[in-house]
Amino acid sequence: DQQVKQNSPSLSVQEGRISILNCDYTNSMFDYFLWYKKYPAEGPTFLISISSIKDKNEDGRFTVFLNKSAKHLSLHIVPSQPGDSAVYFCAASGHPNTGNQFYFGTGTSLTVIP
Amino acid sequence: ETGVTQTPRHLVMGMTNKKSLKCEQHLGHNAMYWYKQSAKKPLELMFVYNFKEQTENNSVPSRFSPECPNSSHLFLHLHTLQPEDSALYLCASSHPRDRNSPLHFGNGTRLTVT
Repeated sequence: DQQVKQNSPSLSVQEGRISILNCDYTNSMFDYFLWYKKYPAEGPTFLISISSIKDKNEDGRFTVFLNKSAKHLSLHIVPSQPGDSAVYFCAASGHPNTGNQFYFGTGTSLTVIP
Repeated sequence: ETGVTQTPRHLVMGMTNKKSLKCEQHLGHNAMYWYKQSAKKPLELMFVYNFKEQTENNSVPSRFSPECPNSSHLFLHLHTLQPEDSALYLCASSHPRDRNSPLHFGNGTRLTVT
C-alpha cells in the first residue's frame, strides 16, 4: 500500500505564476518530509524539507507547507520559471520508527510555460 | 566531482548475462541505498547499508546481490535478470544518525534487459 501519494501526475503553469504541488501521506509516524526535483537523465535532487515540528519552511522561491492533521504537504514555487520544469517527488521518513527508509510518491511533472 | 557517482549510465544486458552496477559517494556519508525507479511507480527501496552493514532488504529477488565493501562504495551485482527488471537504478547516500538528513542521489543507471 502506497504511504505517500501524489495524485496529480502533471501540472502546467504560466511563467511568473505560482505552482502548487500536493502530496498526501498515510503513516502518522512520518516526521520528516522532503521534496525532490528530477530532470530527465539525472537523479533526483534534494530541494527542500520540513520536520513535523514546523508547518512551513521557506527557501527562496520554494516554500513547503505541512498540515499534520490532514496528513498533507504542499510545495509552492513563486514565481515559476521555465527552468523549474521537471518531475517533483515528495518523500517522507520517520526514522527511527520506520527504519532507515524514505517513502516516495509517484511524482508530478511540472511544465512552466514561457 | 558530483557527490554520488554511478557507473555505467546505461546498460543493456541479456537474461543470461552477469553485470555489476557501481556507486561511489564523496560526501562522507555512512548510509548507502539502492532504489529502483520504474515507469508510473514510486521509487522502490531495494537495499540499505549502514556503516557497511545491510539493514534493509525489501524482499528483493536473489538475482540482485548488493555488496558494500566500505562506506564510500556500493555495488549491485546482477545475474539472470528478467525483462521486467528493466528500470532506472538509483544509488543514494545519507547520514544515518542525523534524523533530518536528506538522501543524495546519483544520476542512475538505465538498465535494459533483453
